[in-house]
Amino acid sequence: ELTQPPSVSVSPGQTASITCSGEKLGDKYVCWYQQKPGQSPQLVIYQDRKRPSGIPERISGSRSGKTATLTISGTQAMDEADYYCQAWDDFTAQVVFGGGTKLTVL
Amino acid sequence: QITLKESGPTLVKPTQTLTLTCTFSGFSLTTSGVGVGWIRQPPGKALEWLALIYFNDDKRYSPSLKSRLTITKDTSKNQVVLTMTNMDPVDTATFYCAHKSITVFGDAFDTWGQGTMVTVSS
Repeated sequence: ELTQPPSVSVSPGQTASITCSGEKLGDKYVCWYQQKPGQSPQLVIYQDRKRPSGIPERISGSRSGKTATLTISGTQAMDEADYYCQAWDDFTAQVVFGGGTKLTVL
Repeated sequence: QITLKESGPTLVKPTQTLTLTCTFSGFSLTTSGVGVGWIRQPPGKALEWLALIYFNDDKRYSPSLKSRLTITKDTSKNQVVLTMTNMDPVDTATFYCAHKSITVFGDAFDTWGQGTMVTVSS
């Protein structure tokens, strides 16, 4: 299982950090998805810290042991969304998603 | 450009079998490292992975749902089909199919379909 905080609030222009932790993360890569209301999830980070084409540099990923972090710098209203982390669990041989974090830009 | 689109019934009755089709373009499911997965999302809830099929016909299933799921591919039609037996109202969700390329994005699903909402009700 991957654990995320249910919600994170941030003021416009500030930095938002969303964590994803799991005892079985081990050496498996983590990826992150952004999902806006009524839309499909969009990949924003893969292999812990890589950005797909078209994702702005202010969205970044990092990893320290069993915790991965998604960081959004200079947060904008358009960043308000649900964010999900995901990894592959070798032990149970399955794709695992975190419970999701609702990012609110106040 | 990779695109995927889910299709199937919007309403099924309890105990019935759900069959969903993912029709894709922009890639081949015979290319090494490529896969297509199914993920569902109940209204207002989190994403839940269901199944995955790879270019070499390797198949993986969610352990908790494995007994109810079957995933197959038809490379000539560029389609992946998911069947889910013994549907229950708790299975009401939006079902997504998504593309995966191990060689490019690792374990991530880089492109998702628009999703199809399935309601289970008598």
